[in-house]
Amino acid sequence: SQQGEEDPQALSIQEGENATMNCSYKTSINNLQWYRQNSGRGLVHLILIRSNEREKHSGRLRVTLDTSKKSSSLLITASRAADTASYFCATGVTGNQFYFGTGTSLTVIP
Amino acid sequence: DGGITQSPKYLFRKEGQNVTLSCEQNLNHDAMYWYRQDPGQGLRLIYYSQIVNDFQKGDIAEGYSVSREKKESFPLTVTSAQKNPTAFYLCASSIGRKNWPQHFGDGTRLSIL
Repeated sequence: SQQGEEDPQALSIQEGENATMNCSYKTSINNLQWYRQNSGRGLVHLILIRSNEREKHSGRLRVTLDTSKKSSSLLITASRAADTASYFCATGVTGNQFYFGTGTSLTVIP
Repeated sequence: DGGITQSPKYLFRKEGQNVTLSCEQNLNHDAMYWYRQDPGQGLRLIYYSQIVNDFQKGDIAEGYSVSREKKESFPLTVTSAQKNPTAFYLCASSIGRKNWPQHFGDGTRLSIL
């Protein structure tokens, strides 16, 4: 399977704290993307990082990519209750396909 | 408003029955995708289509079929050959350029009666 693995599977933090989740993958990639999924809904795209980039920021989100280790991390700073959701990494590979990780379930306690 | 519409939101299938899940987009996207999501798991690719009248199997295509007769529409049929169809099905679309971000519908939850 080319599916990535997220770590941890579940994360519970207090509002205002930072949340870090990691993604490891197996194959060469064109880019890596992070998505959020609220319960019972579709996925929403958060941020994309290309294979030749090492770090990217968007608002309270910071993504890093280490292609030598085939891993990425997503940092959400100053978390809010509304950030409670599942977060998935998706690797973009040849043929315009995507392979999604298993997800991290984040709970932000008010 | 541009987006992807999946219908119905909930669907029930009887043994031996084929059911079709609808996916329509008005984003003018070339590429469309179908994924299956099981509880606590990630998304697995069923089928994808880069252009009209063309589609490719994903990792778990057995027991499913698709068509792409119009750019806006990519229906998925879950056939009786799919022995474990209970899952959350998600449709997505993208511009079609190299691994451009995907837009998702809100899913169809399929259950067995």
